[in-house]
Amino acid sequence: AQSVTQPDIHITVSEGASLELRCNYSYGATPYLFWYVQSPGQGLQLLLKYFSGDTLVQGIKGFEAEFKRSQSSFNLRKPSVHWSDAAEYFCAVRLDQAGTALIFGKGTTLSVSS
Amino acid sequence: GAVVSQHPSWVICKSGTSVKIECRSLDFQATTMFWYRQFPKQSLMLMATSNEGSKATYEQGVEKDKFLINHASLTLSTLTVTSAHPEDSSFYICSAPVGTQRQFFGPGTRLTVL
Repeated sequence: AQSVTQPDIHITVSEGASLELRCNYSYGATPYLFWYVQSPGQGLQLLLKYFSGDTLVQGIKGFEAEFKRSQSSFNLRKPSVHWSDAAEYFCAVRLDQAGTALIFGKGTTLSVSS
Repeated sequence: GAVVSQHPSWVICKSGTSVKIECRSLDFQATTMFWYRQFPKQSLMLMATSNEGSKATYEQGVEKDKFLINHASLTLSTLTVTSAHPEDSSFYICSAPVGTQRQFFGPGTRLTVL
């Protein structure tokens, strides 16, 4: 069965430091890959997505992610974290079929220290 | 961009009562909508796929008689939690795919059953 693993449950990063959130997926082919952010009391917001092409994708708020087929990974990065980035981050995959639901990882909580 | 709304945003009810949650696509038509459930500090878990004009498809372990889904129009899907119990307290989120690449999420409904 398809699955998404986010190994880190909680990460604390100092403001201004770099960030990397890990995501690994289990699927026979390359799925569509997503990163979402969920702030307290807010809905899910799409940060970026990968479907094909350039394996380094740029998203909103200065985030980027790199797809590595050999590692079945899609890690999220940001060079300099801001306090407002504190939130819950979810990696998700979707099979390459239109209209199918997303499969989410368990999420990583990001705390930003001053 | 496409917008998905949910109503209510939060609801508190007594055990044994039924609660209806609406999910609307505001500026596009959605023949398919997805209902997810998110427990505190947990990931989103797909509950069911709502199909306009036909029966919903439920994920394994989700009681279809307890979580009634109706998708009567191309812009509205409803989830009714029947005879709600405290263990049904959760954050319920709907989403709707647009085309083959995008999926838009509603802001979620916080259900608390006393």
